[in-house]
Amino acid sequence: GQQLNQSPQSMFIQEGEDVSMNCTSSSIFNTWLWYKQDPGEGPVLLIALYKAGELTSNGRLTAQFGITRKDSFLNISASIPSDVGIYFCAGREANFGNEKLTFGTGTRLTIIP
Amino acid sequence: ETGVTQTPRHLVMGMTNKKSLKCEQHLGHNAMYWYKQSAKKPLELMFVYSLEERVENNSVPSRFSPECPNSSHLFLHLHTLQPEDSALYLCASSPAEGTGELFFGEGSRLTVL
Repeated sequence: GQQLNQSPQSMFIQEGEDVSMNCTSSSIFNTWLWYKQDPGEGPVLLIALYKAGELTSNGRLTAQFGITRKDSFLNISASIPSDVGIYFCAGREANFGNEKLTFGTGTRLTIIP
Repeated sequence: ETGVTQTPRHLVMGMTNKKSLKCEQHLGHNAMYWYKQSAKKPLELMFVYSLEERVENNSVPSRFSPECPNSSHLFLHLHTLQPEDSALYLCASSPAEGTGELFFGEGSRLTVL
């Protein structure tokens, strides 16, 4: 089945740094979503994107739907301790009859004191 | 009251036991899902219910049996599981099936001995 390549797998940063992560697919997607999972919790939706080229912000988070429709990016500015967690991308293919949601393997964000 | 509630949060069972996981959503959503989350693997969709009817069964072994008695409740009945079934089982809901905007519960951590 469809697989999403999410990178990096992990990041170790200092508080205040900016963060970038991305997700790529081999197929064209019509929806990209970004989720965050805190330890011991379920994933929480951060941003949803529905149009190629769309750039959407949610506070210090900004996500973009790539022009090729095969990738998406998530940026976090001025990281703070509560940003620690695992970030998952998810996408839905643009094929009628195959609207299944596919998840990436996650980017684990750690903030070094 | 949180949006999606899962019980129990932790479950340890032997391979011959029968147990059930419960999920309840208070969001008025029409679709509910079971996902399996294993270490270093993408979230795996197991079952989808839309308006209490199962719309997808992702080739899940019959030792996992879902039940959706109404649009607010979802169960996952477990019987004769294997150690490799140990994982975090996440329930989610969405306003309608296919939107991608999922609201997850906190998960049930299952350990099969």
